[in-house]
Amino acid sequence: GENVEQHPSTLSVQEGDSAVIKCTYSDSASNYFPWYKQELGKRPQLIIDIRSNVGEKKDQRIAVTLNKTAKHFSLHITETQPEDSAVYFCAASRDFNKFYFGSGTKLNVKP
Amino acid sequence: DAGVIQSPRHEVTEMGQEVTLRCKPISGHNSLFWYRQTMMRGLELLIYFNNNVPIDDSGMPEDRFSAKMPNASFSTLKIQPSEPRDSAVYFCASSPRLAGGPGTGELFFGEGSRLTVL
Repeated sequence: GENVEQHPSTLSVQEGDSAVIKCTYSDSASNYFPWYKQELGKRPQLIIDIRSNVGEKKDQRIAVTLNKTAKHFSLHITETQPEDSAVYFCAASRDFNKFYFGSGTKLNVKP
Repeated sequence: DAGVIQSPRHEVTEMGQEVTLRCKPISGHNSLFWYRQTMMRGLELLIYFNNNVPIDDSGMPEDRFSAKMPNASFSTLKIQPSEPRDSAVYFCASSPRLAGGPGTGELFFGEGSRLTVL
């Protein structure tokens, strides 16, 4: 099966700085890569996703890049704000049904 | 729509007791997933259904766990007998599917059921 590894496990940045979270996957057939944000005590929610026919996708301060050859994808958050503090999960899927999640990154944005 | 609804939100029980977690997916969503979240193992897929049919239950830890989806608007996850290592947050999620095709990709999670087995 798929194996998704996520780094770092914790990330602390100053408000206004950028944050980058990286994930690698093992199954070359995976073709869909979503990112979920989970605030403390809340449910995970999709924030951005990318499909394998695209190398980069951007939505305001959030961007995701995908390198299919190297089998890794990254989440970039620019101009971080305290409300970005949460746990972020990457995931990979080959059929839009079975999603394999990374272990999560706890992002702390210091005001 | 109220989103995916799970109950109970919190459950504390003693080892050996039966636990039943319930989920109501978003109306019109054809796929339903049960995930377990722990600090050690993160988010693990236990089982998923398409059109009320279990498709993949390879993530169910052992025979103590069972899941059903008797109709499009209701699913249960049962643990019998429960053990302390079952303590976790259990999430139900639903997802819409394109007509005759795969899912759209987005999982809509419920608020989760926090289970503590003493």
